[in-house]
Amino acid sequence: DSGVTQTPKHLITATGQRVTLRCSPRSGDLSVYWYQQSLDQGLQFLIQYYNGEERAKGNILERFSAQQFPDLHSELNLSSLELGDSALYFCASSGGANEQFFGPGTRLTVL
Amino acid sequence: AQKVTQAQTEISVVEKEDVTLDCVYETRDTTYYLFWYKQPPSGELVFLIRRNSFDEQNEISGRYSWNFQKSTSSFNFTITASQVVDSAVYFCALSGHTGTASKLTFGTGTRLQVTL
Repeated sequence: DSGVTQTPKHLITATGQRVTLRCSPRSGDLSVYWYQQSLDQGLQFLIQYYNGEERAKGNILERFSAQQFPDLHSELNLSSLELGDSALYFCASSGGANEQFFGPGTRLTVL
Repeated sequence: AQKVTQAQTEISVVEKEDVTLDCVYETRDTTYYLFWYKQPPSGELVFLIRRNSFDEQNEISGRYSWNFQKSTSSFNFTITASQVVDSAVYFCALSGHTGTASKLTFGTGTRLQVTL
């Protein structure tokens, strides 16, 4: 158990819908990262937050947004969903040592 | 830009065989970190090791060992006496030092199948 929690574990929704994925980092970790794992794109970095502020952005679509709250949990919002958004979404957290510990992931299926 | 190449897509071995997973990286950073993660069939990503660019000592942890060679930009992972439980996809990853550079760049992964 990495200490990072993600909910829900599975999510099935329809095209055009909006979903929210939630992540709680390990106790004491200030950084939260979001990654997407899909068959065609592999594991890709989406966005990083550090202590509530956006720190870095990767290949994140404009339809996607994220935030980190004062209690350090983070949410990834995906809107206007398309079939191609079906993927495993991981959250990771990090303290000061550059090691990122991953949550169990949320498997999103868009029908 | 950073890049990680895992040329071996899939490897099959028989239990008790040794197996080496290759990882080659590209970066312009002078300070960087290399990682290996394991993704078993259950799907989670399990952290195995972190190595920083200034530490070229090889590391051994039980049946696992890692060989970091800066001269060839490689960070290979060897499993000695493989077991069925080692069956998983293994990812090599690279990050910069701090701040915006600390995101992980992953390779495409190597699927290891260990059979009896």
